[in-house]
Parts: sequence; structure tokens; C-alpha cells
Amino acid sequence: QKEVEQNSGPLSVPEGAIASLNCTYSDRGSQSFFWYRQYSGKSPELIMFIYSNGDKEDGRFTAQLNKASQYVSLLIRDSQPSDSATYLCAAFLSNFGNEKLTFGTGTRLTIIP
Amino acid sequence: NAGVTQTPKFQVLKTGQSMTLQCAQDMNHNSMYWYRQDPGMGLRLIYYSASEGTTDKGEVPNGYNVSRLNKREFSLRLESAAPSQTSVYFCASSEVGGINEKLFFGSGTQLSVL
Repeated sequence: QKEVEQNSGPLSVPEGAIASLNCTYSDRGSQSFFWYRQYSGKSPELIMFIYSNGDKEDGRFTAQLNKASQYVSLLIRDSQPSDSATYLCAAFLSNFGNEKLTFGTGTRLTIIP
Repeated sequence: NAGVTQTPKFQVLKTGQSMTLQCAQDMNHNSMYWYRQDPGMGLRLIYYSASEGTTDKGEVPNGYNVSRLNKREFSLRLESAAPSQTSVYFCASSEVGGINEKLFFGSGTQLSVL
């Protein structure tokens, strides 16, 4: 099992709809979770982070964390073509005392006009 | 504000050649990192520096060395390049490490080793 797992996609969503991106992680002791957006040929950019169970909203973005299910998601409301990118989930895993930030392989999102 | 600046943007090497990737940040961050990104593998940590004067191995350190020259600069050296080191390399910095590790990335270096 990968430590941080994402569906690679591509995920296609019509413009204006809600895009839902999902991520699972292996370490129940993980404490912090991050979503990075990466446009093709560009570097990753942090867009959301969450530490506590529940929802965290920032503009059109909502991060959701469920520690019991070891699941974190990113919702993008009113999807725009400019949201087309690869979204990387990252978790700070405790990893039996060897703590490290671990990235998933990313989900490619395409917003269809 | 420049943020994190990496040079060069592109590089082609022959097997066995050496090179140094340069990275500088102007955000007064304590922690700096070198990652490589390969298709299907995600971002993997090569080395990091939690603070000026310290460096530690990450997940894939073999074949690389680093130098934290000062608080601003963190370089990555390939002593004898191998085709397996063909990748996109990103430098990143963070104000702090640990659970609040929010990374700011440079623009990347596309490296090809022939």
C-alpha cells in the first residue's frame, strides 16, 4: 500500500460543476495534510492545508479531513478551465518516528468548457 | 519578490559528468529541500536542510550531495551523473519544518543524462 494514495485520473468535470479529489494515507498518526496544485510544466503551489477533522473552506476550495477513515479530499466549487491542473496530496506522516512529508502521485483534473 | 530561484532551468549531461544545481530563497526561511519528480513516482525528497548548518538525507539521496552555503542558498551536486538521474528537480523552502511544513517551490530544473 502506498503511503499517500491518489487516483491518477484524468478526472474530467464540466465547467461550473464541483470537482472532488480524493486522497488516502496509511499512517493513522499523521497530523497535517496539504493540497498542492501543479500546472503542466510548472512547479507545485500550496493551495490548502488542514490539521483537524472536518471541513476547511477558502474561496472556492474546501478541504475535508476524516482521520478515522484516513481520508482527505479537496472540493473545487464552480470549476473553471483555469483549475485544470494536477493536484498533489501530501501528508506529514509519523512513520514510526521517522517523520516526513510524503506526496501522492497526483490527480490530473481537466475542466471541460 | 523572487521567492525561490533555481538555476539552471534545463541541462543535458553525459553519463559521468558532474554538475551543481543552485537554489536561493529570499523569504528568510529556515528549511530548504531538494526534490525530484518522475512520472508515476510523485515528488521524492533527496536531501533537506532543517536550518543553516545542517543537512539530512531524504528518501533518495544516493548519487547526490548538498551544501547549505548560508541561510539563503542550498545547492545540489551530482558528482557522476547517471541516466537514472534524468528527472525534474525542484528546490523548495519552508519557514519551519515538521507538521507546519508549507513548501514554496522553485521553477524547477529539467535534467537529462544521456
